[in-house]
Amino acid sequence: LAKTTQPISMDSYEGQEVNITCSHNNIATNDYITWYQQFPSQGPRFIIQGYKTKVTNEVASLFIPADRKSSTLSLPRVSLSDTAVYYCLVGENNNDMRFGAGTRLTVKP
Amino acid sequence: EAQVTQNPRYLITVTGKKLTVTCSQNMNHEYMSWYRQDPGLGLRQIYYSMNVEVTDKGDVPEGYKVSRKEKRNFPLILESPSPNQTSLYFCASSLLSRGNLNEKLFFGSGTQLSVL
Repeated sequence: LAKTTQPISMDSYEGQEVNITCSHNNIATNDYITWYQQFPSQGPRFIIQGYKTKVTNEVASLFIPADRKSSTLSLPRVSLSDTAVYYCLVGENNNDMRFGAGTRLTVKP
Repeated sequence: EAQVTQNPRYLITVTGKKLTVTCSQNMNHEYMSWYRQDPGLGLRQIYYSMNVEVTDKGDVPEGYKVSRKEKRNFPLILESPSPNQTSLYFCASSLLSRGNLNEKLFFGSGTQLSVL
């Protein structure tokens, strides 16, 4: 099981771009990188998933360097409603992936 | 609307009184799973099911049972609840991973359980 390390917390201001980096040094060849977002008292929600290089959707971008030992979730122009906990998971399937403590992002006015 | 439905949303019970938390999904997903979330520990997997009549232990299965008699339902059973099972519980479902495709999890709204 690939272990992930991400910052416990981050602060930002409305309108800024936020980058959350996740370290996964022992990622395996068949592992994907997946990010989830969780608001208080709600279940996590899928944000984005990637294998290598860059993936972009309507919510975020995911940057993965060639060695795949880390990844960066990029949230463009955050708003107060982006305040949440963000989880980085690595694994070949849902049974391999583990939710750590995540990164608590606080967006301030 | 595609969703995972858990019931009840809140539950207060006493030690030793059997309880069941229900989970149902309407997306025809093969994979279903239960997690518990405790402060500072993230989500930990309790049990999972790859399909009907197929269940397996996750990381913290002690004190819990599950069943998967139908594809859409995956109830979590606490035969004799104890205070250390006080937690926030989430059910999730997904299509099964096929080859290199890693299917995303859909989560329910959670069940806050308090065992006195």
